[in-house]
Amino acid sequence: ELKVEQNPLFLSMQEGKNYTIYCNYSTTSDRLYWYRQDPGKSLESLFVLLSNGAVKQEGRLMASLDTKARLSTLHITAAVHDLSATYFCAVDKDTDKLIFGTGTRLQVFP
Amino acid sequence: DTGVSQDPRHKITKRGQNVTFRCDPISEHNRLYWYRQTLGQGPEFLTYFQNEAQLEKSRLLSDRFSAERPKGSFSTLEIQRTEQGDSAMYLCASRVLGEQFFGPGTRLTVL
Repeated sequence: ELKVEQNPLFLSMQEGKNYTIYCNYSTTSDRLYWYRQDPGKSLESLFVLLSNGAVKQEGRLMASLDTKARLSTLHITAAVHDLSATYFCAVDKDTDKLIFGTGTRLQVFP
Repeated sequence: DTGVSQDPRHKITKRGQNVTFRCDPISEHNRLYWYRQTLGQGPEFLTYFQNEAQLEKSRLLSDRFSAERPKGSFSTLEIQRTEQGDSAMYLCASRVLGEQFFGPGTRLTVL
């Protein structure tokens, strides 16, 4: 059974600091996704990573994928309050259904 | 708005009642997915359609749950004899290639 684990589950960080969220998954997968979710809202797609070594960047967020290690990272550079949200990674399984991680709740404070 | 839409956005019902949710995917997206998200958890897959065919159902989808996509466009998810444990956000997503795009969700509260 495919499992996806994220750590940390909760992250409180000061504005301007850098940090990394980790996403491990248990079996091979075709694609890895990162989503953002604000409280009470739906999921906003951030990144789709398709191959080993893939790296994508958007603003202060950068995602990477190591399929050999079954590991993806989401790196936050110089955090700002607007980045406060819950971040989920998800992987494809067979029929393209997504298996989600537990989520990382990020809180950025002044 | 050309995104995925869901209706209603919120539903409060009493235990034992039946509820039905609707999802309108992005036009030309042939795949449609339903997920359920409980508080503090990631979304969990329930079922998916390719056009009008329901191709997979999760073990989470008990006999009280049924989903349809009769014309390969919009989909409905019905829950019969609701229980308090059904309280959750029900998310719909659609895709044609690549990533899934999620709708705003329907938040169900069963009293």
